[in-house]
Parts: sequence; structure tokens; C-alpha cells
Amino acid sequence: QKEVEQDPGPLSVPEGAIVSLNCTYSNSAFQYFMWYRQYSRKGPELLMYTYSSGNKEDGRFTAQVDKSSKYISLFIRDSQPSDSATYLCAMSRSSNDYKLSFGAGTTVTVRA
Amino acid sequence: DAGVIQSPRHEVTEMGQEVTLRCKPISGHDYLFWYRQTMMRGLELLIYFNNNVPIDDSGMPEDRFSAKMPNASFSTLKIQPSEPRDSAVYFCASSSGWGAGYTFGSGTRLTVV
Repeated sequence: QKEVEQDPGPLSVPEGAIVSLNCTYSNSAFQYFMWYRQYSRKGPELLMYTYSSGNKEDGRFTAQVDKSSKYISLFIRDSQPSDSATYLCAMSRSSNDYKLSFGAGTTVTVRA
Repeated sequence: DAGVIQSPRHEVTEMGQEVTLRCKPISGHDYLFWYRQTMMRGLELLIYFNNNVPIDDSGMPEDRFSAKMPNASFSTLKIQPSEPRDSAVYFCASSSGWGAGYTFGSGTRLTVV
């Protein structure tokens, strides 16, 4: 079993819809949780990160962490065609842990 | 800043040949990472450096892979001899510190035939 599980999708939604993405993990030592966005034929770019449980909002993006369930989510409100990309979750054990564990990524298409 | 620069963008080589991938990190970033991405295994960390020193190479698949960082502005990942199962997209990333996130290059798409 992989440390981080992420449904690869693909996920297709109409413009303006809410996109819901999630990852589950097995290692309770993970404390920091990140979401990266990867456009086709580009490298991943950091969207946001959260520490421990709770919510964090950044514009149209909201990240949620539920450590008790070992479950994290990313919500994209008012989705746009420019949000079409692959979204990868990543986790680490501490702020000194540079060996991020990545999910497989979920491919999202927002239809105009 | 031009970001993390990788070369070449694409590489097609025959099995058994030596392959060298190159990376120029963002100036001032102390950390450099080499990742490999495949459909089957996703994004895997191969090795990372801090201040030009290799810190963790436990992800390097086997002795055919080697990485160097002779100075703060240049790193190479070498595969010798290459095999078809090495076909993947290889990313270089750099960072000024954990909280700043990683900046990835656009990758080198390697095909070994």
C-alpha cells in the first residue's frame, strides 16, 4: 500500500462548478500537507500548504486537513478553464523533512 | 528570474548509452532536488542537495544513476548505461527553504529505446 493515495480521475466539471479533490494517507507522522498544480508538460507548482488539522483558504482555493481520518481535501470554487491541470497532494513529517511524499495526482478538466 | 532551467527538454537515446541531464537552480536557493515522474510510480524523489552537498540519495534506483552538484548554479543527473525502464520525465527543483516550497523546472522527457 502506498503512503499517500489519490484518485487519478480524470475529473471533468463545467465552468463555475466546485471541484473537490482528496487524498488519504497511512502514516500518522505526517504533519505538513501541500497541494501542487501541474499543467501539461510543466513541472508542479505549489498552490498552498497547511500544518496539522484545520482549514486554510486562499482566494478560490480551500485546503482541509482531518488528521483523525488521515484525509485531506482541496476545494476549488468558481472553477475556470485555466484550472484544468493535474493536482498533486504532498506530505511531510516536519518542517525539516525535505522528502515529500506525493500522491499520484488527479487530472481535472474544467469545460467552458 | 528565469526559474529552474533544465536541459535538454527531450532526449531519445538507445539502450546502453550514457545520458546526462542538466539543471540550473534559481540563484540563492540552497536546496536542489531531482525527481522522476512516471504514470506507474508518480513523482519520486531521487536525490537532494543542500549547499551543493548530497543529503539523501536513497531514492536513486541503482548504481547506474549518479548526481553531482559541482557548484551552486549547476547540477547533473547521469544514467550509465541507460535502460528502457529509465524512460520518464525527470524534474529538477530548487528551494530556499522548506516553507518557501519547491520551484520545479519544466522537466526532461527521456525515452530510452
